[in-house]
Amino acid sequence: GENVEQHPSTLSVQEGDSAVIKCTYSDSASNYFPWYKQELGKRPQLIIDIRSNVGEKKDQRIAVTLNKTAKHFSLHITETQPEDSAVYFCAASSDQKLVFGQGTRLTINP
Amino acid sequence: DAGITQSPRHKVTETGTPVTLRCHQTENHRYMYWYRQDPGHGLRLIHYSYGVKDTDKGEVSDGYSVSRSKTEDFLLTLESATSSQTSVYFCAISESGMQTQYFGPGTRLLVL
Repeated sequence: GENVEQHPSTLSVQEGDSAVIKCTYSDSASNYFPWYKQELGKRPQLIIDIRSNVGEKKDQRIAVTLNKTAKHFSLHITETQPEDSAVYFCAASSDQKLVFGQGTRLTINP
Repeated sequence: DAGITQSPRHKVTETGTPVTLRCHQTENHRYMYWYRQDPGHGLRLIHYSYGVKDTDKGEVSDGYSVSRSKTEDFLLTLESATSSQTSVYFCAISESGMQTQYFGPGTRLLVL
């Protein structure tokens, strides 16, 4: 089955700097890759997603890139703000299910 | 937030007792999922449903059963709760198996 590895597990950046979170997946048949943001005590919420026929997608300060050959995808957050502090999860869709990475706790320092 | 509710939102129970968690949706989505979330493990799939009475196991299904008798409701049952089942349980819904999943607010379960 699918296996998703996410790095780093914690990330601390200065406000205004960029943050990058990386994930690798194992199943070459996976074709949908969402990213979720989870604030403390809240539910995970989708922030951006990408399908395997697209190499990059951008939405304001966040972007996701996908390298199908290497089977990895990344989340990029630019001009980070305090409200970006949260846990971020990547996922890969395989056989009607999502398999999640272990999560990255992002802290934005003022 | 999508129309998803979970009940109860918090529960404390004792080892060996049965527990049922309910997920209710008003979106008429075909797929429903149950996950558990534990520190260091992210979200792990317990069971999912792809239609009324159609269910399948996820990666951590041992000790759990599910039922879906109506499109809008998906029940997760712990037949005999154990302390290792202390966790936060999230329900999610999606229109299809390869579409965005929307999560419910979660249920915090403590098994003493």
